[in-house]
Amino acid sequence: SQTIHQWPATLVQPVGSPLSLECTVEGTSNPNLYWYRQAAGRGLQLLFYSVGIGQISSEVPQNLSASRPQDRQFILSSKKLLLSDSGFYLCAWSRDRRIYEQYFGPGTRLTVT
Amino acid sequence: DQQVKQNSPSLSVQEGRISILNCDYTNSMFDYFLWYKKYPAEGPTFLISISSIKDKNEDGRFTVFLNKSAKHLSLHIVPSQPGDSAVYFCAASEGLQGAQKLVFGQGTRLTINP
Repeated sequence: SQTIHQWPATLVQPVGSPLSLECTVEGTSNPNLYWYRQAAGRGLQLLFYSVGIGQISSEVPQNLSASRPQDRQFILSSKKLLLSDSGFYLCAWSRDRRIYEQYFGPGTRLTVT
Repeated sequence: DQQVKQNSPSLSVQEGRISILNCDYTNSMFDYFLWYKKYPAEGPTFLISISSIKDKNEDGRFTVFLNKSAKHLSLHIVPSQPGDSAVYFCAASEGLQGAQKLVFGQGTRLTINP
């Protein structure tokens, strides 16, 4: 069976500090990978997606970037965090473009102070 | 521009009764719809989905109905159980380059009262 991991679970960072959130998927190969953010009281917003190693597409211009150095690893980064980057960050995977269902990790709660 | 809307932020239902959660969308290009359930501090869990070519899909206690002309879908849970208390998100899918983008509603918090 497939498993998706995210870490850390919670993070408190000062404004201007860097960020690195990691996501890994087990039990499948060549998944589509996604980063979402849920701001307080809002739905989930797609930030980045990747259909293969080194292939990153951005949905929303922002202070963040993403990378996919390995097939089942997806990293969300920032060089300098803003207060507005606070939120709940979720990684998700799907099998391929023909499959609509996406499966989410446990999430990372980021608070920028 | 909110393409997927859940106009009820919360819903309270008695245990054993039917829960009906509603969702409206504006983009007629959406071709697949999904419902997710989310507990606090956890990632959403996939519940049930429906293709735009169908009007009903059933899985155990969960049934999703799609009315394309009204651009409306609903999730029925019957009978409702205390473990169903969670936030429910509807999502609509549109194609990207090699992937599918899910557009989520704001969520509805369902509380099942014993």
